[in-house]
Amino acid sequence: EAQVTQNPRYLITVTGKKLTVTCSQNMNHEYMSWYRQDPGLGLRQIYYSMNVEVTDKGDVPEGYKVSRKEKRNFPLILESPSPNQTSLYFCASSFSPPRTDTQYFGPGTRLTVL
Amino acid sequence: AQKITQTQPGMFVQEKEAVTLDCTYDTSDQSYGLFWYKQPSSGEMIFLIYQGSYDEQNATEGRYSLNFQKARKSANLVISASQLGDSAMYFCAMREALKGAQKLVFGQGTRLTINP
Repeated sequence: EAQVTQNPRYLITVTGKKLTVTCSQNMNHEYMSWYRQDPGLGLRQIYYSMNVEVTDKGDVPEGYKVSRKEKRNFPLILESPSPNQTSLYFCASSFSPPRTDTQYFGPGTRLTVL
Repeated sequence: AQKITQTQPGMFVQEKEAVTLDCTYDTSDQSYGLFWYKQPSSGEMIFLIYQGSYDEQNATEGRYSLNFQKARKSANLVISASQLGDSAMYFCAMREALKGAQKLVFGQGTRLTINP
């Protein structure tokens, strides 16, 4: 089954404790992206990757890191989480191009930073 | 500047009625794409429908149709014969060309509630 998986699905942590949210896709997509969703703001892009070893900042990259060492995986790293990073996080992937292809979203990770 | 605007934070509709969710966008690109996603209370993002900027006909997918008015820069989602299961958050999004990659820019969302 074609899918994007994220782990963990739920995480409660404390300020300053490094964490990693994993994302994996089995569709051989080149393009992967991380979004955060906050009430009233919709989804905002954090980082994206066009292919292995190619990553770039989105609209809200501060406080986050990513890596793309393998095509299927795109982990999101919070080196020193803060309460303002409490949010719902989505990983997404797609082919790039064709341009008509939509992005496939993971199930989301709900993160709470105390 | 807001690139995707959804002016209806919440909507309440009677079951079986048709409903229109508004979306306006702002872009100077000639080639772009518009999407609608549904987010039920379980949280996942479900792709509903896509409209390309060069598509001459409005997109349709089952009970969903996209009322695309290019000159007005609007891409409203129409749900015909609404069902209780349509209650969810709905997001309009626009694909931007960014360094050859896709970037989706989302609106704030509209929470749709279907009343029995």
